[in-house]
Amino acid sequence: DGGITQSPKYLFRKEGQNVTLSCEQNLNHDAMYWYRQDPGQGLRLIYYSQIVNDFQKGDIAEGYSVSREKKESFPLTVTSAQKNPTAFYLCASSISPGETQYFGPGTRLLVL
Amino acid sequence: QKEVEQDPGPLSVPEGAIVSLNCTYSNSAFQYFMWYRQYSRKGPELLMYTYSSGNKEDGRFTAQVDKSSKYISLFIRDSQPSDSATYLCAMSEASGGYNKLIFGAGTRLAVHP
Repeated sequence: DGGITQSPKYLFRKEGQNVTLSCEQNLNHDAMYWYRQDPGQGLRLIYYSQIVNDFQKGDIAEGYSVSREKKESFPLTVTSAQKNPTAFYLCASSISPGETQYFGPGTRLLVL
Repeated sequence: QKEVEQDPGPLSVPEGAIVSLNCTYSNSAFQYFMWYRQYSRKGPELLMYTYSSGNKEDGRFTAQVDKSSKYISLFIRDSQPSDSATYLCAMSEASGGYNKLIFGAGTRLAVHP
């Protein structure tokens, strides 16, 4: 069953805590992306990776970090420096950079 | 001014109605246009993908691009309650290499029986 999985579905963060969101794909896609979705706003790009061991900042990278050690995996860490982390986080992948993007089911992050 | 403008709705229609969803944009370099459907608390799923101007039809869905007016539309015929979702338009300048996908804010559609 091919696709993109994200975990957990819901995540709670305490003040000053770093949390990591998981994104895995078995589509053999080279490119992966992280977006943030807030009510009434379009998806905003946090980070993207065109290939393993490479990633680039998107429009709102401050307070976030990523790694791309394996083709299938692109975890996102929300650091304590991100002051307004409550949002719906979406991971996407495409067969190559610039091609059609396919999305995972999302992780909702809430602050306690 | 946002690069992509989309009426947030909500748009409420009776079952069987024809629905028209629209986006306007300011960047004349956009060439690739997409419509995604997003059910509540789920990830977006790709509905339609078009290149440059013209129409594309897939079942009850028709995507239309008018580059001269910088305007794209998604038409849904014989709308069903299962079409109730948020519809996001997205566009990019080119494929190949990394070209950023710009999203509209989404239009919420409710189809009532």
